[in-house]
Amino acid sequence: NAGVTQTPKFQVLKTGQSMTLQCAQDMNHEYMSWYRQDPGMGLRLIHYSVGAGITDQGEVPNGYNVSRSTTEDFPLRLLSAAPSQTSVYFCASSKTGWNGYTFGSGTRLTVV
Amino acid sequence: KQEVTQIPAALSVPEGENLVLNCSFTDSAIYNLQWFRQDPGKGLTSLLLIQSSQREQTSGRLNASLDKSSGRSTLYIAASQPGDSATYLCAVRREDDKIIFGKGTRLHILP
Repeated sequence: NAGVTQTPKFQVLKTGQSMTLQCAQDMNHEYMSWYRQDPGMGLRLIHYSVGAGITDQGEVPNGYNVSRSTTEDFPLRLLSAAPSQTSVYFCASSKTGWNGYTFGSGTRLTVV
Repeated sequence: KQEVTQIPAALSVPEGENLVLNCSFTDSAIYNLQWFRQDPGKGLTSLLLIQSSQREQTSGRLNASLDKSSGRSTLYIAASQPGDSATYLCAVRREDDKIIFGKGTRLHILP
């Protein structure tokens, strides 16, 4: 099992560009989510999904879109990158309810 | 709204000492609480998962306790080592499946 795979590991964008951060898991987990981690702010939930075709907003959803067409994949789209979106992004997955969380290794994004 | 607080924000202790990290949460309607370790520039590694019906979990030198009614969890590290230096995060899983993190405790073990 590969676990949770995030690509790319590093990315530099110019303001206004768009891009998609990829997240895939091979553990048949229903629950997937995206977090951003910023110094002094901890991990903040951007969007999450409890299954294919179902997504919902977290604490900081503005500027990001998600979709969940398959159980395995949960891409995060930045529509028009802004310097405030410079952060480390983590994807995580789990079975719903009583189960623990598995994290990807993160994507470090810089918007200039 | 579920809030998760970790105190202290940073901690330095000499090697060999036992130590306790604290995590508190405001809403007791949780499925479970999970402790993670994060090394600088790295991802999160799960240490211990405690279900809401459990009181504690142990793994090696680590012991995590949960008092759901008072909204508190502790992570006890025995006989600390320099390799234990990292940031420790706790996260609670709400009954709507949202997972909320504390901001972490940065631990430094002095050789």
